[in-house]
Amino acid sequence: GDSVTQMEGPVTLSEEAFLTINCTYTATGYPSLFWYVQYPGEGLQLLLKATKADDKGSNKGFEATYRKETTSFHLEKGSVQVSDSAVYFCALGDNAGNMLTFGGGTRLMVKP
Amino acid sequence: DAGVTQSPTHLIKTRGQQVTLRCSPKSGHDTVSWYQQALGQGPQFIFQYYEEEERQRGNFPDRFSGHQFPNYSSELNVNALLLGDSALYLCASSLGTGDLVTFGSGTRLTVV
Repeated sequence: GDSVTQMEGPVTLSEEAFLTINCTYTATGYPSLFWYVQYPGEGLQLLLKATKADDKGSNKGFEATYRKETTSFHLEKGSVQVSDSAVYFCALGDNAGNMLTFGGGTRLMVKP
Repeated sequence: DAGVTQSPTHLIKTRGQQVTLRCSPKSGHDTVSWYQQALGQGPQFIFQYYEEEERQRGNFPDRFSGHQFPNYSSELNVNALLLGDSALYLCASSLGTGDLVTFGSGTRLTVV
């Protein structure tokens, strides 16, 4: 079945550092790929998405590229802020649009 | 414009009891999905409701059941609660099978 693997955290960075959170997936067909962010005590918020190979999703300085050849969708940001501290989830959507399969989440802590 | 509303926000139940969680989808959305998020893990798909029917189900036992009402709101019922059912239960809504899903803040269930 479909699965998503992402790097374990926590990832601790200083403000303005470069961020990479790795995500790889296994799926049949051509799923859509997503990054969600979860702040303490809140639900999930969509950060960005890509629907086909070589698409780049971007939002709030974050970006990720759908790489079919390496089945990856790594999240990057050039300069993190303290306010980016949260848990980040990589996910894939089945072709029917019925369900999302999530990775285990990566906690990011950004220190001033 | 209200997003996805879930109630209650927290509750504590005893093993063997039954619980009902409620969800009102975002205005204009007609599809509701439920996810279970255990502590420190990614959300897992329970099931999805559309037109008052269960459209797809994840790998959860029959103790987990649901319902969707004509106004698109939904309930998640869990019977014979186990300690392992303790988790954050997230409701998500969308329009049809579109992949723009909005999540609620969740219901934190603790089984003692």
